[in-house]
Amino acid sequence: QSALTQPASVSGSPGQSITISCTGTSNDVGGYNYVSWHQQHPGKAPKLMISEVTNRPSGVPDRFSGSKSGNTASLTISGLQPEDEADYFCSSFASTGSFVFATGTKVTVL
Amino acid sequence: QVQLVQSGGEVKKPGASVKVSCKASGYTFSASYIHWVRQAPGLGLEWMGWINPNSGGTKYAQNFQGRVTMTRDTSITIAYMELNRLTSDDTAIYYCARDTSKLVGATDYWGQGTLVTVSS
Repeated sequence: QSALTQPASVSGSPGQSITISCTGTSNDVGGYNYVSWHQQHPGKAPKLMISEVTNRPSGVPDRFSGSKSGNTASLTISGLQPEDEADYFCSSFASTGSFVFATGTKVTVL
Repeated sequence: QVQLVQSGGEVKKPGASVKVSCKASGYTFSASYIHWVRQAPGLGLEWMGWINPNSGGTKYAQNFQGRVTMTRDTSITIAYMELNRLTSDDTAIYYCARDTSKLVGATDYWGQGTLVTVSS
């Protein structure tokens, strides 16, 4: 199972919107609505931000939203805040019952 | 409150084995899958496998097949991950994470991580 593909880095100014893409195949992202997004600050455990493509867990700000089209899922942060600077990882359920993570995207708030 | 508390860091020699524990509390242990995920220094997340605490059923990532074993003890609500034939490439932080009962990757609670260092 190959890793999903994300851009290495994305940046934006406070208040701007950014979108992180997560590209897989029809065997993972495109085949199931089980894409999750995690945020990770340095030295901390990952935190779930989005599950099942669009679901936002309780406590996650509504400026975070998820979507999917074909084999590519996306995480959008609307109204970027300084505390959003972190690494973001998407993951997906895959065929045979396994899961796969992406390489990760470093978000920089300028 | 839901908590996953992992065992402490380990230093192992190449060829050895390591067993990491994940103590769950604050929810019905058997009702949610547990994933194991690792992160090598400076790198991304790597999924290792899951265990169904209710049935004991497991699914391992192809990269770890034959080298990893995930088990659980429902009487004390602990999940375990054992990795054999360690090499320096296995130096990483190992996390356990709770999914829902539906196994959708919605890992809403994570352990604090266990650093495993493999060095001669």
